[in-house]
Amino acid sequence: SQQGEEDPQALSIQEGENATMNCSYKTSINNLQWYRQNSGRGLVHLILIRSNEREKHSGRLRVTLDTSKKSSSLLITASRAADTASYFCATVTSRLDSGAGSYQLTFGKGTKLSVIP
Amino acid sequence: DVKVTQSSRYLVKRTGEKVFLECVQDMDHENMFWYRQDPGLGLRLIYFSYDVKMKEKGDIPEGYSVSREKKERFSLILESASTNQTSMYLCASKGGFGYEQYFGPGTRLTVT
Repeated sequence: SQQGEEDPQALSIQEGENATMNCSYKTSINNLQWYRQNSGRGLVHLILIRSNEREKHSGRLRVTLDTSKKSSSLLITASRAADTASYFCATVTSRLDSGAGSYQLTFGKGTKLSVIP
Repeated sequence: DVKVTQSSRYLVKRTGEKVFLECVQDMDHENMFWYRQDPGLGLRLIYFSYDVKMKEKGDIPEGYSVSREKKERFSLILESASTNQTSMYLCASKGGFGYEQYFGPGTRLTVT
């Protein structure tokens, strides 16, 4: 079942502007991750934020997490044409039905970001 | 550098054919995953494996099976391909203690 839902579905901005994408989820999580997918390719991990963290930075990326609202946001500052891609949030939850006691990553449907040069 | 490879980038098969999608990782990861990605539905987990010869069903296992005979290789099998299995298939792997998954480039399968 889908856990994360990104908003907006699509976003178009000029190069140099900031891009903000939001993610909402439904159940308690262990952590939340953001991935990027260039057109027709595999996903690349960008950043992970744990459930006890509120904000995290990595280069031009800033992620926030509000567990009380069950939401997260990804901010890309000073966007570049090369940032054009789809961005997915993914929540990590325990698989209680798994004999391995493993975790499951559940992805949202993604935000398609276009950065216009 | 981390690497997950998939046997084909594009594949066209006929309805009823048996289809094998192969995935290989070179990171000695215990966990491997198969997802399918469809427009408007995002990524959905088909099967995963946490060790050699071990497998567990994901959210949409119907019509699929998997095989993991060696640690580095995880195969997805469509026993009798159907048109509703036309999709992008993504393989991923993960180490024992980390949460980050590493993805292959994907196989775009078309069943006609």
